[in-house]
Amino acid sequence: DGGITQSPKYLFRKEGQNVTLSCEQNLNHDAMYWYRQDPGQGLRLIYYSQIVNDFQKGDIAEGYSVSREKKESFPLTVTSAQKNPTAFYLCASSLQPWPSDGYTFGSGTRLTVV
Amino acid sequence: DAKTTQPPSMDCAEGRAANLPCNHSTISGNEYVYWYRQIHSQGPQYIIHGLKNNETNEMASLIITEDRKSSTLILPHATLRDTAVYYCIVRVNFGNEKLTFGTGTRLTIIP
Repeated sequence: DGGITQSPKYLFRKEGQNVTLSCEQNLNHDAMYWYRQDPGQGLRLIYYSQIVNDFQKGDIAEGYSVSREKKESFPLTVTSAQKNPTAFYLCASSLQPWPSDGYTFGSGTRLTVV
Repeated sequence: DAKTTQPPSMDCAEGRAANLPCNHSTISGNEYVYWYRQIHSQGPQYIIHGLKNNETNEMASLIITEDRKSSTLILPHATLRDTAVYYCIVRVNFGNEKLTFGTGTRLTIIP
């Protein structure tokens, strides 16, 4: 079955450490996205990539970095510069041009800084 | 900039129709209305979308007013599994514009 896989589901990080969240899709989608969600809030866009080896900042990119070396993969690194990294992180993908069923989301990674 | 306005929460009895409103008074002619839902601690799930005609699929119906300034998502026979946060989003159906999620409506289905 095609879909998006995010791993791990839960992640704990010590303050001052970088951590990388994995996102893999086998949908042959060109575009991939990372969102952050805080309790009781909507989703905020961190980074997105429309094509391999290219990506753009979203609304809250500070303290995060990404890479897109393969079409299937779009890992997100939460760096020590991110002041409040504890959140629920969601990865999504979509075809280009914009498909009728919009974005496909992964099941998310819950990051907690301890 | 909020493009849509939704009530923060709603209740609906199980088995009844759930009607979720959304105001998008500044919608432009080439913007579509999309609905997603997010069950607790999961990724959002696409439900339906439309431009100006009413739409129906196996999950829901979407009613868009003639002036396109508001819409209603209808879940015809709500079940407990429909308890979720429902997001109404407007965007063009081309180009590089990304999905922007507001805070949505938290729908609770009452047994």
